[in-house]
Amino acid sequence: NAGVTQTPKFQVLKTGQSMTLQCAQDMNHNSMYWYRQDPGMGLRLIYYSASEGTTDKGEVPNGYNVSRLNKREFSLRLESAAPSQTSVYFCASSDPGTATEAFFGQGTRLTVV
Amino acid sequence: AQSVTQLDSQVPVFEEAPVELRCNYSSSVSVYLFWYVQYPNQGLQLLLKYLSGSTLVKGINGFEAEFNKSQTSFHLRKPSVHISDTAEYFCAVSDRGYQKVTFGIGTKLQVIP
Repeated sequence: NAGVTQTPKFQVLKTGQSMTLQCAQDMNHNSMYWYRQDPGMGLRLIYYSASEGTTDKGEVPNGYNVSRLNKREFSLRLESAAPSQTSVYFCASSDPGTATEAFFGQGTRLTVV
Repeated sequence: AQSVTQLDSQVPVFEEAPVELRCNYSSSVSVYLFWYVQYPNQGLQLLLKYLSGSTLVKGINGFEAEFNKSQTSFHLRKPSVHISDTAEYFCAVSDRGYQKVTFGIGTKLQVIP
């Protein structure tokens, strides 16, 4: 049982490049989330998906797009990377119906130069 | 809107001493409350959660937390810390629909030998 799997684990981008962060969960959870973690700022919600086919903006959505491809997969896309997007990105999933906590992936450390 | 305030960004404590990490929240609705721990270069894992019932919640690794509705607090405690408890701790709140989880900025616990 892998839980939440994120790829890649590390990435270096040049300013203006694009990339997609992949996330998959095998717990049959309805809700999935993307957070970014920056020193002194905790985890901030970028986007979340309450169920397959729906997505909503979180606290810091600018510069990002998401796709809930199916129940298992939730991807985060940076169309034109900026140095301000240098961060550690975490994907998480949960099942609101059973009030379970969020389960997190191991994170993607992204550096934009 | 909901928010979480972790009152201490860093807490140094000697090994085998007790520790309390403070968390206050605000919300206009009933909430679920969580404490997560993050070890270096890893994702977050759940320490404990309050959903309902007894206000004293016991978690993994000897941690416990007490929900105080009148003071809107959910402080985390451990009677005797170990070196292995050195990590960053996050308090989180979600509404009962659990569509979004809001995290505090984190408290770094440093256990001194």
